[in-house]
Amino acid sequence: RKEVEQDPGPFNVPEGATVAFNCTYSNSASQSFFWYRQDCRKEPKLLMSVYSSGNEDGRFTAQLNRASQYISLLIRDSKLSDSATYLCVDMEYGNKLVFGAGTILRVKS
Amino acid sequence: NAGVTQTPKFRVLKTGQSMTLLCAQDMNHEYMYWYRQDPGMGLRLIHYSVGEGTTAKGEVPDGYNVSRLKKQNFLLGLESAAPSQTSVYFCASCNSNQPQHFGDGTRLSIL
Repeated sequence: RKEVEQDPGPFNVPEGATVAFNCTYSNSASQSFFWYRQDCRKEPKLLMSVYSSGNEDGRFTAQLNRASQYISLLIRDSKLSDSATYLCVDMEYGNKLVFGAGTILRVKS
Repeated sequence: NAGVTQTPKFRVLKTGQSMTLLCAQDMNHEYMYWYRQDPGMGLRLIHYSVGEGTTAKGEVPDGYNVSRLKKQNFLLGLESAAPSQTSVYFCASCNSNQPQHFGDGTRLSIL
């Protein structure tokens, strides 16, 4: 089983829609998680950190469910510019990042 | 299909030593990247390549050199290692409009 698993998608949604991605992790000792967005020719950009209490930044909300070992990313009022790949990242002990394979989001007008 | 493979996984160097990190991908990807990841910081791009025989500087290229002699391999070299280069190094590859695939990382400590 991969350490971090994501549904690769693509998720095709219309503008204005709400979309959610989940990511499961296998290391129960992991403490920190992140969502990055990236496209092939650009370096990944940190979107938000994921805390036990959840984290909200504008249209984006991230949640952590330790019991079920998954994190989620919710995007409200999708914009065309949200089209990207969203990487789920687990920071293991010693600050090593473990990347999911990414979930592709396509927002269409 | 192994994806992106980085070697070695761990290495401890003394200041001034040189070494090369190897990234190999078997997905016929055009683009390859080397990042470093440090505590409290996101990924920072060191160098990248848009195709065999080409390389370009990223955000933090100083102290590193790269080569892409074969499409499937992207080498990252440290000519004279410094403690500031202690980090976890990630390689990634992709084709246009597709997600980057990451290796498992190389943890490098320089004493």
